[in-house]
Amino acid sequence: EDKVVQSPLSLVVHEGDTVTLNCSYEVTNFRSLLWYKQEKKAPTFLFMLTSSGIEKKSGRLSSILDKKELFSILNITATQTGDSAVYLCAVPSAPSGSRLTFGEGTQLTVNP
Amino acid sequence: DGGITQSPKYLFRKEGQNVTLSCEQNLNHDAMYWYRQDPGQGLRLIYYSQIVNDFQKGDIAEGYSVSREKKESFPLTVTSAQKNPTAFYLCASKWGQNPEAFFGQGTRLTVV
Repeated sequence: EDKVVQSPLSLVVHEGDTVTLNCSYEVTNFRSLLWYKQEKKAPTFLFMLTSSGIEKKSGRLSSILDKKELFSILNITATQTGDSAVYLCAVPSAPSGSRLTFGEGTQLTVNP
Repeated sequence: DGGITQSPKYLFRKEGQNVTLSCEQNLNHDAMYWYRQDPGQGLRLIYYSQIVNDFQKGDIAEGYSVSREKKESFPLTVTSAQKNPTAFYLCASKWGQNPEAFFGQGTRLTVV
Protein backbone atom coordinates (compact mmCIF):
# COMPACT_ATOMS: atom_id res chain seq x y z
CA GLU A 1 0.00 0.00 0.00
CA ASP A 2 1.33 3.41 -0.97
CA LYS A 3 2.15 5.63 1.96
CA VAL A 4 3.14 9.24 2.60
CA VAL A 5 4.32 10.44 6.02
CA GLN A 6 4.89 14.05 6.92
CA SER A 7 6.72 15.56 9.87
CA PRO A 8 6.36 17.43 12.03
CA LEU A 9 2.56 17.40 12.23
CA SER A 10 2.58 20.81 13.83
CA LEU A 11 5.10 23.64 14.02
CA VAL A 12 4.98 27.09 15.65
CA VAL A 13 7.63 29.65 14.76
CA HIS A 14 8.21 33.40 14.86
CA GLU A 15 8.29 35.64 11.84
CA GLY A 16 11.69 35.59 10.23
CA ASP A 17 12.48 32.02 11.20
CA THR A 18 13.42 29.39 8.62
CA VAL A 19 11.46 26.13 8.64
CA THR A 20 11.96 22.72 7.05
CA LEU A 21 9.04 20.41 6.48
CA ASN A 22 9.61 16.74 5.77
CA CYS A 23 7.82 14.22 3.58
CA SER A 24 8.77 10.57 3.23
CA TYR A 25 7.03 8.16 0.91
CA GLU A 26 6.67 4.55 -0.08
CA VAL A 27 5.06 4.12 -3.45
CA THR A 28 5.08 1.58 -6.23
CA ASN A 29 6.36 3.04 -9.49
CA PHE A 30 7.30 6.49 -8.26
CA ARG A 31 6.41 9.21 -10.76
CA SER A 32 6.47 12.50 -8.91
CA LEU A 33 5.89 14.21 -5.60
CA LEU A 34 3.71 17.27 -5.12
CA TRP A 35 3.52 19.93 -2.43
CA TYR A 36 0.34 21.89 -1.70
CA LYS A 37 -0.48 24.76 0.65
CA GLN A 38 -3.91 24.80 2.32
CA GLU A 39 -4.75 28.07 4.04
CA LYS A 40 -8.41 27.76 4.72
CA LYS A 41 -10.18 25.66 2.19
CA ALA A 42 -8.82 24.67 -1.21
CA PRO A 43 -5.25 23.36 -1.34
CA THR A 44 -3.17 25.27 -3.85
CA PHE A 45 -0.30 23.77 -5.80
CA LEU A 46 3.25 24.72 -4.87
CA PHE A 47 5.72 22.34 -6.50
CA MET A 48 6.02 19.12 -8.42
CA LEU A 49 9.28 17.21 -8.13
CA THR A 50 10.35 14.38 -10.37
CA SER A 51 14.15 14.29 -10.27
CA SER A 52 16.53 13.88 -7.35
CA GLY A 53 18.72 16.74 -6.32
CA ILE A 54 17.11 19.44 -8.44
CA GLU A 55 15.78 22.23 -6.30
CA LYS A 56 12.51 23.90 -7.19
CA LYS A 57 12.24 27.46 -5.95
CA SER A 58 9.52 30.05 -5.74
CA GLY A 59 10.34 33.16 -3.76
CA ARG A 60 11.08 32.16 -0.18
CA LEU A 61 9.90 28.59 -0.73
CA SER A 62 12.07 25.81 -2.09
CA SER A 63 11.84 22.07 -2.29
CA ILE A 64 14.07 19.16 -3.17
CA LEU A 65 13.62 15.45 -3.69
CA ASP A 66 15.84 12.51 -2.73
CA LYS A 67 14.67 9.45 -4.64
CA LYS A 68 17.30 7.21 -3.08
CA GLU A 69 16.21 7.95 0.48
CA LEU A 70 12.55 8.41 -0.53
CA PHE A 71 11.90 11.82 0.93
CA SER A 72 11.39 15.44 0.10
CA ILE A 73 11.79 18.63 2.09
CA LEU A 74 10.05 21.96 1.79
CA ASN A 75 11.99 24.95 3.07
CA ILE A 76 10.53 28.33 3.88
CA THR A 77 12.97 31.11 4.68
CA ALA A 78 12.20 34.40 6.43
CA THR A 79 8.73 33.18 7.34
CA GLN A 80 5.78 35.58 7.41
CA THR A 81 2.41 35.31 9.10
CA GLY A 82 0.91 34.69 5.67
CA ASP A 83 2.84 31.43 5.50
CA SER A 84 0.60 30.02 8.24
CA ALA A 85 -1.18 27.08 6.64
CA VAL A 86 -1.31 23.33 6.36
CA TYR A 87 1.34 22.04 3.97
CA LEU A 88 0.42 18.80 2.23
CA CYS A 89 2.65 16.36 0.42
CA ALA A 90 1.22 13.93 -2.14
CA VAL A 91 2.33 11.26 -4.57
CA PRO A 92 0.49 9.76 -7.55
CA SER A 93 -0.15 6.15 -6.66
CA ALA A 94 -1.30 2.83 -8.05
CA PRO A 95 -2.70 1.51 -10.20
CA SER A 96 -1.66 3.99 -12.89
CA GLY A 97 -0.75 7.13 -11.03
CA SER A 98 -4.32 8.25 -11.47
CA ARG A 99 -4.90 8.93 -7.79
CA LEU A 100 -3.01 11.12 -5.32
CA THR A 101 -2.09 9.76 -1.91
CA PHE A 102 -1.66 12.53 0.65
CA GLY A 103 0.26 12.74 3.89
CA GLU A 104 -1.30 14.00 7.11
CA GLY A 105 -0.05 17.51 6.51
CA THR A 106 2.07 19.87 8.61
CA GLN A 107 0.20 22.68 10.37
CA LEU A 108 2.56 25.67 10.33
CA THR A 109 1.79 28.67 12.52
CA VAL A 110 3.92 31.78 12.14
CA ASN A 111 3.54 34.25 15.00
CA PRO A 112 4.39 37.94 14.65
CA ASP B 1 -13.31 31.82 -15.18
CA GLY B 2 -12.30 28.19 -15.25
CA GLY B 3 -12.41 26.30 -12.03
CA ILE B 4 -14.11 23.83 -9.74
CA THR B 5 -17.26 24.78 -7.92
CA GLN B 6 -18.50 22.95 -4.88
CA SER B 7 -21.84 23.60 -3.30
CA PRO B 8 -23.03 24.22 -0.76
CA LYS B 9 -20.17 25.58 1.36
CA TYR B 10 -21.86 24.55 4.59
CA LEU B 11 -24.37 21.77 5.04
CA PHE B 12 -26.23 20.51 8.06
CA ARG B 13 -27.95 17.17 8.07
CA LYS B 14 -29.92 15.16 10.56
CA GLU B 15 -28.77 11.69 11.38
CA GLY B 16 -30.31 9.08 9.12
CA GLN B 17 -30.66 11.38 6.13
CA ASN B 18 -28.84 11.12 2.83
CA VAL B 19 -27.27 14.27 1.45
CA THR B 20 -25.68 15.07 -1.91
CA LEU B 21 -22.68 17.36 -2.35
CA SER B 22 -22.22 19.02 -5.72
CA CYS B 23 -18.98 19.35 -7.67
CA GLU B 24 -18.81 20.96 -11.11
CA GLN B 25 -15.74 21.79 -13.18
CA ASN B 26 -15.31 23.69 -16.44
CA LEU B 27 -11.64 22.88 -16.89
CA ASN B 28 -12.34 20.04 -19.33
CA HIS B 29 -10.53 17.70 -16.98
CA ASP B 30 -11.01 13.98 -17.42
CA ALA B 31 -10.48 12.84 -13.84
CA MET B 32 -12.38 13.94 -10.76
CA TYR B 33 -11.90 13.07 -7.11
CA TRP B 34 -13.60 13.29 -3.75
CA TYR B 35 -11.52 13.62 -0.58
CA ARG B 36 -12.49 13.81 3.04
CA GLN B 37 -10.48 15.85 5.55
CA ASP B 38 -10.88 15.54 9.30
CA PRO B 39 -9.29 17.95 11.79
CA GLY B 40 -5.55 17.42 12.06
CA GLN B 41 -5.54 14.89 9.26
CA GLY B 42 -4.61 14.87 5.62
CA LEU B 43 -6.87 14.13 2.67
CA ARG B 44 -8.34 10.67 2.36
CA LEU B 45 -9.68 9.49 -0.98
CA ILE B 46 -13.35 8.51 -1.10
CA TYR B 47 -14.03 7.93 -4.80
CA TYR B 48 -12.50 8.91 -8.11
CA SER B 49 -13.49 8.84 -11.73
CA GLN B 50 -11.22 8.90 -14.74
CA ILE B 51 -13.90 8.96 -17.44
CA VAL B 52 -17.63 9.49 -17.76
CA ASN B 53 -19.79 6.61 -16.52
CA ASP B 54 -16.90 5.01 -14.68
CA PHE B 55 -15.61 5.44 -11.13
CA GLN B 56 -13.51 3.59 -8.57
CA LYS B 57 -13.58 3.30 -4.80
CA GLY B 58 -10.89 5.04 -2.85
CA ASP B 59 -9.67 4.20 0.62
CA ILE B 60 -12.81 5.14 2.56
CA ALA B 61 -15.74 4.53 0.18
CA GLU B 62 -18.08 2.85 2.66
CA GLY B 63 -21.20 4.91 3.25
CA TYR B 64 -20.70 7.05 0.15
CA SER B 65 -21.87 6.86 -3.45
CA VAL B 66 -21.06 8.82 -6.61
CA SER B 67 -22.11 9.16 -10.23
CA ARG B 68 -20.37 10.52 -13.32
CA GLU B 69 -23.00 11.07 -15.97
CA LYS B 70 -21.32 14.16 -17.38
CA LYS B 71 -17.67 15.07 -17.69
CA GLU B 72 -18.24 18.31 -15.80
CA SER B 73 -20.06 16.87 -12.80
CA PHE B 74 -19.19 14.41 -10.04
CA PRO B 75 -21.73 14.55 -7.20
CA LEU B 76 -21.10 12.74 -3.92
CA THR B 77 -23.91 11.30 -1.82
CA VAL B 78 -23.28 10.77 1.85
CA THR B 79 -25.67 8.04 2.90
CA SER B 80 -27.08 7.18 6.28
CA ALA B 81 -24.70 4.21 6.31
CA GLN B 82 -21.73 6.53 6.81
CA LYS B 83 -21.11 6.28 10.55
CA ASN B 84 -19.25 9.52 11.08
CA PRO B 85 -20.03 11.88 8.21
CA THR B 86 -19.16 15.19 9.87
CA ALA B 87 -16.09 16.38 7.97
CA PHE B 88 -14.73 18.74 5.34
CA TYR B 89 -15.18 17.40 1.81
CA LEU B 90 -12.97 18.44 -1.07
CA CYS B 91 -13.52 17.81 -4.75
CA ALA B 92 -10.61 17.88 -7.18
CA SER B 93 -9.96 17.37 -10.86
CA LYS B 94 -7.00 16.88 -13.11
CA TRP B 95 -6.19 16.47 -16.74
CA GLY B 96 -4.82 13.28 -18.27
CA GLN B 97 -1.50 12.08 -16.91
CA ASN B 98 -0.66 15.46 -15.37
CA PRO B 99 -0.45 14.73 -11.63
CA GLU B 100 -1.37 18.26 -10.54
CA ALA B 101 -4.89 18.31 -9.13
CA PHE B 102 -7.04 21.42 -8.81
CA PHE B 103 -9.36 21.71 -5.83
CA GLY B 104 -12.72 23.25 -5.11
CA GLN B 105 -13.35 25.35 -2.01
CA GLY B 106 -14.86 22.45 -0.12
CA THR B 107 -18.11 21.65 1.65
CA ARG B 108 -18.23 21.43 5.43
CA LEU B 109 -20.84 18.85 6.40
CA THR B 110 -22.15 18.72 9.94
CA VAL B 111 -24.50 16.01 11.13
CA VAL B 112 -26.74 17.12 13.97
